[in-house]
Amino acid sequence: GESVGLHLPTLSVQEGDNSIINCAYSNSASDYFIWYKQESGKGPQFIIDIRSNMDKRQGQRVTVLLNKTVKHLSLQIAATQPGDSAVYFCAENRGNQGGKLIFGQGTELSVKP
Amino acid sequence: AAGVIQSPRHLIKEKRETATLKCYPIPRHDTVYWYQQGPGQDPQFLISFYEKMQSDKGSIPDRFSAQQFSDYHSELNMSSLELGDSALYFCASRLQGAGSNSPLHFGNGTRLTVT
Repeated sequence: GESVGLHLPTLSVQEGDNSIINCAYSNSASDYFIWYKQESGKGPQFIIDIRSNMDKRQGQRVTVLLNKTVKHLSLQIAATQPGDSAVYFCAENRGNQGGKLIFGQGTELSVKP
Repeated sequence: AAGVIQSPRHLIKEKRETATLKCYPIPRHDTVYWYQQGPGQDPQFLISFYEKMQSDKGSIPDRFSAQQFSDYHSELNMSSLELGDSALYFCASRLQGAGSNSPLHFGNGTRLTVT
């Protein structure tokens, strides 16, 4: 069935390096995408979002890129810090579905000091 | 800022027992969503409510039911618990008036363990 999925389940980076987490989606009707960060024992925490009429959006140390042609989403974290270690999920809102989000498989980011 | 509050944080039940999970959304948020997250899994949508009416339904078992009350808090009732119901249960809220393109804000979940 249709789903949002991530290419890699784990990612290990050196502190200070940039991280890139990827996500593929299959529903062309999706019009809104969100990246969440989930630390152990906590709920998903909003990081950044992007609407389908945009290609790029920047936040503090994070950038989300959306390529609708190939249905690909990525999260870039600049100067990765140990506090960035967590599981990252992309989620999509599939058009007229009352705002519920469909989550993809998470990527666990591990930052080495 | 106030966040989504869930209670209890942890709950241990035996098979065939019932459980009730509570969720208090962010003030002025009118829509509540329930998600289930198994170990190492992504959150799976269960059910949602807008203005106290069920607005959408996902993969929620018939043994589960939920409602949203006049003060907008929501409860997830789970009966005839099975071992496979052991999971983290998250509640999220948003303000519907902000449009469907606005993020859900999640609570820290209830960890349910069925023995």
